[in-house]
Amino acid sequence: NAGVMQNPRHLVRRRGQEARLRCSPMKGHSHVYWYRQLPEEGLKFMVYLQKENIIDESGMPKERFSAEFPKEGPSILRIQQVVRGDSAAYFCASSPPLLADTQYFGPGTRLTVL
Amino acid sequence: AQRVTQPEKLLSVFKGAPVELKCNYSYSGSPELFWYVQYSRQRLQLLLRHISRESIKGFTADLNKGETSFHLKKPFAQEEDSAMYYCALNPTGGYNKLIFGAGTRLAVHP
Repeated sequence: NAGVMQNPRHLVRRRGQEARLRCSPMKGHSHVYWYRQLPEEGLKFMVYLQKENIIDESGMPKERFSAEFPKEGPSILRIQQVVRGDSAAYFCASSPPLLADTQYFGPGTRLTVL
Repeated sequence: AQRVTQPEKLLSVFKGAPVELKCNYSYSGSPELFWYVQYSRQRLQLLLRHISRESIKGFTADLNKGETSFHLKKPFAQEEDSAMYYCALNPTGGYNKLIFGAGTRLAVHP
């Protein structure tokens, strides 16, 4: 099992562009979580998804951010019209359906907005 | 408000010395608490959780509800313990909507 995969590992965007971050959960995992880490801070919960459903998006900014976890393919965190304040490390974690309290983290995507 | 506080950004000790990484939380219910560790160039991984009351790599952590603390301890630090340590709180039960502290970097010197 390759573990949680995230790509790209580094992403550079100019202000106003779109950023798409991908997360492939571990095999057999149907729960995905996204976290954001700003410099000198801890990880902040953004959204929790199960296949084709958003369960909890209480940590997502109201505008420009969206997430999906389709039936087939990776989970996508999408940031439209990026601003400098979006520069951060974005981590994805997954958990199996019967052990929702155990999360396995990906290596993260570092987004830099110029 | 639900919050996790790790007051030390950096903890520097010599090999063989005792280690205590502090974690305090703010939560009105019954908390689920975790310690995660991130070694250099590796991904974040679970070290231990208070429910299981286990010892991993010589580390232990006791939940003190009176002091709202979950400090991580090890009697004799090793150089390979050098890493970033995050304390985390799950306020929801069930699925893990984790609230993380800012982390403490542990540096163990030879």
